[in-house]
Amino acid sequence: QQQVKQSPQSLIVQKGGISIINCAYENTAFDYFPWYQQFPGKGPALLIAIRPDVSEKKEGRFTISFNKSAKQFSLHIMDSQPGDSATYFCAATSRSYGQNFVFGPGTRLSVLP
Amino acid sequence: GAVVSQHPSWVICKSGTSVKIECRSLDFQATTMFWYRQFPKQSLMLMATSNEGSKATYEQGVEKDKFLINHASLTLSTLTVTSAHPEDSSFYICSAQSTSGGYYEQYFGPGTRLTVT
Repeated sequence: QQQVKQSPQSLIVQKGGISIINCAYENTAFDYFPWYQQFPGKGPALLIAIRPDVSEKKEGRFTISFNKSAKQFSLHIMDSQPGDSATYFCAATSRSYGQNFVFGPGTRLSVLP
Repeated sequence: GAVVSQHPSWVICKSGTSVKIECRSLDFQATTMFWYRQFPKQSLMLMATSNEGSKATYEQGVEKDKFLINHASLTLSTLTVTSAHPEDSSFYICSAQSTSGGYYEQYFGPGTRLTVT
């Protein structure tokens, strides 16, 4: 029940296209959903995060869409650029669950020039 | 803000020796830090949760006598891999926790690549 599923495992997008990564969870106690971006050989960096009191959050070209009833959330990258090529991890946590984050398995995004 | 550093960024050691990795939160205090291990093309695997001034909590299957964690201050946690073996070779990443509006956030260090020969 603590698992976070993430798809697709890998994604290839043309420059200027939209990249969409989906995550799903089971634990209804989760109340904070961050996305991390990781470049090879580097640590993950917090990209954007959402709380379940809103259905969408946008920061620049990055948007999180959240569907509480379906227990799903997704990351949209608009106007994808080659510099966006990285691995993206969704995560979930809750104030009642404690401090630990549950991470998805990751999505490797390649944006072709 | 919310910068976390790790040192060293990479280390090569011989089998049987010990290696210490430092994790520092540079611009905020972190009561809690986490240590992760990451294998190539895989997700983050939580090894242990480190709380300042108390013993670390290890995840199931992680040998606490092999992976010694010390959280001596609100800005420093260390991971010591004792009697390292080639199978301990991996990418080790720490994170430091902060709170915002009652929610926990984790900020990650750049990682340490350990190679045991």
